[in-house]
Amino acid sequence: KAGVTQTPRYLIKTRGQQVTLSCSPISGHRSVSWYQQTPGQGLQFLFEYFSETQRNKGNFPGRFSGRQFSNSRSEMNVSTLELGDSALYLCASSLGGAGTSGITDTQYFGPGTRLTVL
Amino acid sequence: AQSVTQLDSQVPVFEEAPVELRCNYSSSVSVYLFWYVQYPNQGLQLLLKYLSGSTLVKGINGFEAEFNKSQTSFHLRKPSVHISDTAEYFCAVSRSGGSYIPTFGRGTSLIVHP
Repeated sequence: KAGVTQTPRYLIKTRGQQVTLSCSPISGHRSVSWYQQTPGQGLQFLFEYFSETQRNKGNFPGRFSGRQFSNSRSEMNVSTLELGDSALYLCASSLGGAGTSGITDTQYFGPGTRLTVL
Repeated sequence: AQSVTQLDSQVPVFEEAPVELRCNYSSSVSVYLFWYVQYPNQGLQLLLKYLSGSTLVKGINGFEAEFNKSQTSFHLRKPSVHISDTAEYFCAVSRSGGSYIPTFGRGTSLIVHP
């Protein structure tokens, strides 16, 4: 079974630009979560999508947005990039059950997209 | 709100020695607890999680952790480490009974020497 894939793996942008990152979950998984990892702030939860709807959201500004398609693939968009957006962006997928948002499900992580903002 | 403190930023240890990575949390509500491992240039992998029940949780790769509610701790242990255990380890907490919105610690770098 193929794992979680993220594209591109590396990206360089300049301040003010926007960027779109893509995540393909494991087949059959309906939940996709996004995380930002930086040396300064560590690992932070961005948002989670389940069945094309944003189910949970972390504490990030509106410049960070996402969406999920009917095949469960997800994209994350960052507009008006700032230097501080340089980070490793991780995507994770899980079956995503009902009830407590599938908390008993194990999340499987992709290798991440390394974004550098110059 | 929850917070997680990983007391050691780096833990050096010799191969085949035991290791304990410490994690303390703060929360006004009941929580679920998790340990993840991140190998160089890779994403995270779940080692183990505590949701309810037995406070001693066994995970993958020979790791285990004990939930101590009175001390608000969830320390990770392994009786004998291998070189391949060299990685970054993250403790995380999420409010129980609610959505999975994890708060992570800053990580502990485990360095296993031959």
